Amino acid sequence: AQTVTQSQPEMSVQEAETVTLSCTYDTSESNYYLFWYKQPPSRQMILVIRQEAYKQQNATENRFSVNFQKAAKSFSLKISDSQLGDTAMYFCASLGGSNYKLTFGKGTLLTVNP
Amino acid sequence: GAGVSQSPSNKVTEKGKDVELRCDPISGHTALYWYRQSLGQGLEFLIYFQGNSAPDKSGLPSDRFSAERTGGSVSTLTIQRTQQEDSAVYLCASSLAGSGSINEQFFGPGTRLTVL
Repeated sequence: AQTVTQSQPEMSVQEAETVTLSCTYDTSESNYYLFWYKQPPSRQMILVIRQEAYKQQNATENRFSVNFQKAAKSFSLKISDSQLGDTAMYFCASLGGSNYKLTFGKGTLLTVNP
Repeated sequence: GAGVSQSPSNKVTEKGKDVELRCDPISGHTALYWYRQSLGQGLEFLIYFQGNSAPDKSGLPSDRFSAERTGGSVSTLTIQRTQQEDSAVYLCASSLAGSGSINEQFFGPGTRLTVL
């Protein structure tokens, strides 16, 4: 079984600044994948970034990057140069050996203030 | 191309009534998933389809819930005798393949179900 924990229900950041969202997970799988999804008010879940557990290098996608600490089972998301359009719920998720069932955290509501 | 679509966008029903929620996956995606998003429980997996068969129905909360997929495409999630605790957003996702490969799951906009 897998669990994903997001300890920050809400966060806020000023436009153009940097913010980090936390996520910890637990899994018995040796091979697994981690994701950050964004859900704006439109409800559409959008994949922001993914990390394969066997890769040591942290994934980056433009302004989004992760800090993957495998031993600590930590997977935080850093958003640089925050934009108003980044305002959304952010979900951390894991995918284990079954390779189809995503396990989600409870989410962090991020508000970017002008 | 078109993304995953779901209908209706919103559904309000009375306790005890049956409802059907529809999902149109991305063309060519063989795997389809239903998730439920509720305030108290977050996002929960309900069921996974590979083609028309459902290898994993373990997330369906009770026997009032059922789902089918026809023609390897459209899926319908049916909730019979709805209860207030069924109120949630029901999300559908699809991917090119399911178990055995890592493929991004593309999500639809969801159906918000409200049971009065």
